[in-house]
Amino acid sequence: DAGVTQSPTHLIKTRGQQVTLRCSPKSGHDTVSWYQQALGQGPQFIFQYYEEEERQRGNFPDRFSGHQFPNYSSELNVNALLLGDSALYLCASSWNTWGSYEQYFGPGTRLTVT
Amino acid sequence: SQQGEEDPQALSIQEGENATMNCSYKTSINNLQWYRQNSGRGLVHLILIRSNEREKHSGRLRVTLDTSKKSSSLLITASRAADTASYFCATASYNNNDMRFGAGTRLTVKP
Repeated sequence: DAGVTQSPTHLIKTRGQQVTLRCSPKSGHDTVSWYQQALGQGPQFIFQYYEEEERQRGNFPDRFSGHQFPNYSSELNVNALLLGDSALYLCASSWNTWGSYEQYFGPGTRLTVT
Repeated sequence: SQQGEEDPQALSIQEGENATMNCSYKTSINNLQWYRQNSGRGLVHLILIRSNEREKHSGRLRVTLDTSKKSSSLLITASRAADTASYFCATASYNNNDMRFGAGTRLTVKP
């Protein structure tokens, strides 16, 4: 049983460019959450997708957008990249249980913006 | 914004010793979870404790929760070099689906 997978592992982009990160949830999970983790900090919640819709959003600008596909996989898109977007981006999947779920994390995508 | 704060920020112990990490949070919670992260990679779920529970065990891990003080502790007994990692607490509230993480405690276990 495959766990949560993310691609790519590493990515280097230039300021102003756009990036797309991908996530496949653990088998049987239908909910995907995305987090941004800056160096030396804890993960910060970006948003969560369920039934192909954004269910909840953290304090991130509209430059951050996402999508969930019918097979529950998800994408995170970031437009107009800033140097401050450099971080580890984590995807987590879970069953649809409101507010009390155990999340399974992928290995993350390390994004470097130069 | 981050919900909780872990204390201490860093902890260094010898193999075989116990390690205790603390977490404080600010708002009412449904549950509190502890995660481990090795070398800036993905997080591994360790244990979940619900707001109506006071203590929970899993192998060498013991977690306590004091909702009146809005705090939790994670005890790792008989630590091993392989326990070297960053440990994060995360809270889930009743009316929000996002999880709030603290900044973590970096644990180093020396062989």
